Amino acid sequence: ETGVTQSPTHLIKTRGQQVTLRCSSQSGHNTVSWYQQALGQGPQFIFQYYREEENGRGNFPPRFSGLQFPNYSSELNVNALELDDSALYLCASSSARGKNIQYFGAGTRLSVL
Amino acid sequence: GENVEQHPSTLSVQEGDSAVIKCTYSDSASNYFPWYKQELGKRPQLIIDIRSNVGEKKDQRIAVTLNKTAKHFSLHITETQPEDSAVYFCAASTTGGFKTIFGAGTRLFVKA
Repeated sequence: ETGVTQSPTHLIKTRGQQVTLRCSSQSGHNTVSWYQQALGQGPQFIFQYYREEENGRGNFPPRFSGLQFPNYSSELNVNALELDDSALYLCASSSARGKNIQYFGAGTRLSVL
Repeated sequence: GENVEQHPSTLSVQEGDSAVIKCTYSDSASNYFPWYKQELGKRPQLIIDIRSNVGEKKDQRIAVTLNKTAKHFSLHITETQPEDSAVYFCAASTTGGFKTIFGAGTRLFVKA
């Protein structure tokens, strides 16, 4: 068990709604990255948080936003959901001490109807 | 923008044969190259990684090679077993794991 946990495991929303996904990083890890994995594709980088600040962002619109808390857990928020947002959302935690090796959570599967 | 191309998309081998998956990256600043195995419905699991100061790394039946000049890196699995069947992803990132870019994946089937 890697220690990275995500909640909820599954979620169904309708178009236009908002969603919040949560991630608890592995003990000792201060960096959290979020990825979107559409069916049959590789994970796509959304953004990374380091010490409560966004440290980089992929090609996702501003309606994808995030937070990192003092205990290094993190949230991914998506506003104005679209059908194409349906995917598996993965978070991964890492630390410089751990040579920045990323350990993934089991993901949240989001379905937008 | 940066991207990672991965080939083949599907690979079928007989048990005991070798499997090779190849990736090419575009960002010359990339210096860390992990490989992940993802079984159906499960999280990606790191199986091996290589950093830019090393040309080759081996861990039992798995090896990875890196050619920084050509921006190529490859995964080699020897003596394949049915439990090796999964989707394999290559990835490239810079120091700190900032903006890790994944390949599209290779679905490996190992036939008993």
